[in-house]
Amino acid sequence: SSELTQDPAVSVALGQTVRITCQGDSLRNYYASWYQQKPGQAPVLVIYAKNDRPSGIPDRFSGSSSRNTASLTITGAQAEDEADYYCNSRDSIGSQFGGGTKLTVL
Amino acid sequence: EVQLVESGGGLVQPGGSLRLSCAASGFTFSSYEMNWVRQAPGKGLEWVSYISSSGSTIYYADSVKGRFTISRDNAKNSLYLQMSSLRAEDTAVYYCARDLGSTSWYFDSWGQGTLVTVSS
Repeated sequence: SSELTQDPAVSVALGQTVRITCQGDSLRNYYASWYQQKPGQAPVLVIYAKNDRPSGIPDRFSGSSSRNTASLTITGAQAEDEADYYCNSRDSIGSQFGGGTKLTVL
Repeated sequence: EVQLVESGGGLVQPGGSLRLSCAASGFTFSSYEMNWVRQAPGKGLEWVSYISSSGSTIYYADSVKGRFTISRDNAKNSLYLQMSSLRAEDTAVYYCARDLGSTSWYFDSWGQGTLVTVSS
């Protein structure tokens, strides 16, 4: 099956905007979902479908997609947003995750 | 409140077997598709298996196909993962995850995970 590729690490200054990207062939056919994972905790869904947020997820999180690339944007990053972020997409035989992006808030 | 609680992890020798359970509460379990997702120590997430709400449709990742079996008991609000022929590379925290609905493949609720260690 195809892969989902993410940058291993990204940093952002407190209060600034950061975009985390995910590339893969499956994204041409399916929307990505995005998960936030903090150390020692289970992942949390933050964005799904075209640009939907589960209840309780701040509106500074947003998603977009173009061709084979999905993006998670955090507008006005907060210290508590420091975490690992994983994209996910269904594919022809199930589901797959990207390798994850470690976000550091400076 | 949606709750998913995994159990059954532990230390097992290579080639051995283990059965994981996930107890669900706070929602109508029989209406939701479920998944297992794992995470090796210090590594990323890996989708393992999916089961439809009725149990009639099942998918597996290639890495576990033929060795792992997913099942569910809707009367007991429980999800299971029977693992056999275990290998060192199966060492991971195993999470059960609920599908958002309508086979969306979006995982909206997760358990806290149970650690499986395959080692001699």
